[in-house]
Amino acid sequence: EDKVVQSPLSLVVHEGDTVTLNCSYEVTNFRSLLWYKQEKKAPTFLFMLTSSGIEKKSGRLSSILDKKELFSILNITATQTGDSAIYLCAVGRTGNQFYFGTGTSLTVIP
Amino acid sequence: GAVVSQHPSRVICKSGTSVKIECRSLDFQATTMFWYRQFPKKSLMLMATSNEGSKATYEQGVEKDKFLINHASLTLSTLTVTSAHPEDSSFYICSARDRAGIYEQYFGPGTRLTVT
Repeated sequence: EDKVVQSPLSLVVHEGDTVTLNCSYEVTNFRSLLWYKQEKKAPTFLFMLTSSGIEKKSGRLSSILDKKELFSILNITATQTGDSAIYLCAVGRTGNQFYFGTGTSLTVIP
Repeated sequence: GAVVSQHPSRVICKSGTSVKIECRSLDFQATTMFWYRQFPKKSLMLMATSNEGSKATYEQGVEKDKFLINHASLTLSTLTVTSAHPEDSSFYICSARDRAGIYEQYFGPGTRLTVT
């Protein structure tokens, strides 16, 4: 059975801290791994990863994929209160389906 | 960027009635649309994959007769919750993938359904 597991489930940090969110997966016919940020409504896209070892970066956020060990991490440096959200990892497979992880709820305290 | 709309954003209906939710891709053609359900503080659960012009593919455990999906055009997919019950109350989100997009999906803003 395909599954995507994120850890930790929730995290509380202080502004300025660096956080690492984890996503591990067991999905047949893997095609891509995507990270989303969800605040109040629908998720917003952060990164798409398809190749191992290539870091994607956007400002204070970065992500990398390890297709051998079947996981990805999302790093956020110098966290701000605006980073508080649920971070979702989704794995896409051939056949178009995407399966979402459990999500990590991040709270950044001023 | 690509925009996906959903209508209505919020709906309250009585038990036993049916509710239709529309998902539209506004500035691109979506060959594939996905319907998700999200419970409070939980992740998105894929319900079905909708391909234009063909029958939707439902995930295990999702009743196809309960959640009717129609993808009649390249810009519109609908989800109809038939004979709704309070346990169907949830946040329903659609997403769409365009012809050119290989991996990414664009999400609609979601529909909050409350069945009384």
